This record gives sequence, C-alpha cells and structure tokens, in this order.
Amino acid sequence: IAGITQAPTSQILAAGRRMTLRCTQDMRHNAMYWYRQDLGLGLRLIHYSNTAGTTGKGEVPDGYSVSRANTDDFPLTLASAVPSQTSVYFCASSEFPGLNTGELFFGEGSRLTVL
Amino acid sequence: GQNIDQPTEMTATEGAIVQINCTYQTSGFNGLFWYQQHAGEAPTFLSYNVLDGLEEKGRFSSFLSRSKGYSYLLLKELQMKDSASYLCAVRDDDYKLSFGAGTTVTVRA
Repeated sequence: IAGITQAPTSQILAAGRRMTLRCTQDMRHNAMYWYRQDLGLGLRLIHYSNTAGTTGKGEVPDGYSVSRANTDDFPLTLASAVPSQTSVYFCASSEFPGLNTGELFFGEGSRLTVL
Repeated sequence: GQNIDQPTEMTATEGAIVQINCTYQTSGFNGLFWYQQHAGEAPTFLSYNVLDGLEEKGRFSSFLSRSKGYSYLLLKELQMKDSASYLCAVRDDDYKLSFGAGTTVTVRA
C-alpha cells in the first residue's frame, strides 16, 4: 500500500543522546514535512522540504536538523535530545498544489520520550 | 505567522449536527483545510476551501469566508465513529500548513 513509513514507532531515549527519526514516502511527492504534536498545542511545523535538495525551517526548528538527499526520504535528527523534545512526531508529504488541493498525507507517527 | 483559533472541546448526541468554528489571522493565505484525527492515529484529510462558500462532502461540509478570516466544519447525522479531534489548518503563500490546536468532539449515544 502506497504511503508514508515512519520508524521507529516508539522510542525511549536518554537525554543527551543523538536520535534520527526516519521517514520514507513512495508517492513521489515533491514536498515533505516534519511536525510535532503536543497536548494543547496541536501540530507544529519543525522543518520542511519543497523539493529534493532543499530544506526550510518551520515554527519550532531549534534542536532539530533534516536532510533531503532524494525525493523519497526525509530523516529528522535530534543532535542531543532534551526532555522538552518528548512528543509525537509526524512526517507528512504533499504534491505541489496545482490542479489538486495539495493536501498533506501523514505517516503513523513516532512517539519519542526523552528521559 | 499564523494565528488559528478553534474551540477545545464539543459534545453532541448521536444523530445531531455539530458546527466547529475556526478563525484565523495570517500573513498569507493559500487555502484552508480540515483534518480528522482519531486518538492515537495520524490526521486524515477531510476538506479543502480556497474560495468563499460551502463545500459539501457527504455528511461533512466546510465553509470559508476569506474576508472574515473564518471557516466552519459542519458534521451532520453524527455517528459514534465521528468522535475525534478536528484540526483546522491554513496554508500560507510558501505552501506551508499551520494548524490550530484542534477541537475534540465527543459523540454520546
């Protein structure tokens, strides 16, 4: 089934450790996004990429980095995890809006706990 | 930046109608989306408005007024499975989507 795959599904991590959340899509979408979702705050954009080779900062980029070496993969790295990065992380992708709505398709999420 | 407001919670009875309002103040506007998110799951796309007016899709309808910075999602003939969070989101001129905090709808028998 076509879609977005995230890994790991869930992870407990010690503070100070490095962590990479993986995201792969097989829909050949141009744009990809990373959001975090926290209770009462909704989904907040961390980083995005409108096309392979380019990335941009979202609303809450500090402490996170991304790369977009090809169309399908968009990993999110926490260089040195802190407890405030405990959250559910969603990767999403979309076509560039044109003849269609360009809605976001989401992965199933990665639940990260930093102790 | 974007400022998107929607109520935190709403409760309604099975078979009834519920209207979820969303107001926004944005630095750019390129469409408004509604998503549904069941507990522990990913958000899924419900509707899209870019022009003023009503878009109807089965039991769900969405309305947009760009001049008022206002949208609503109307859920008719409520079913128990409609219990979920409903997220209002605005796309800016750079095609980035900003979300409101979400409205949790509880449907009671």
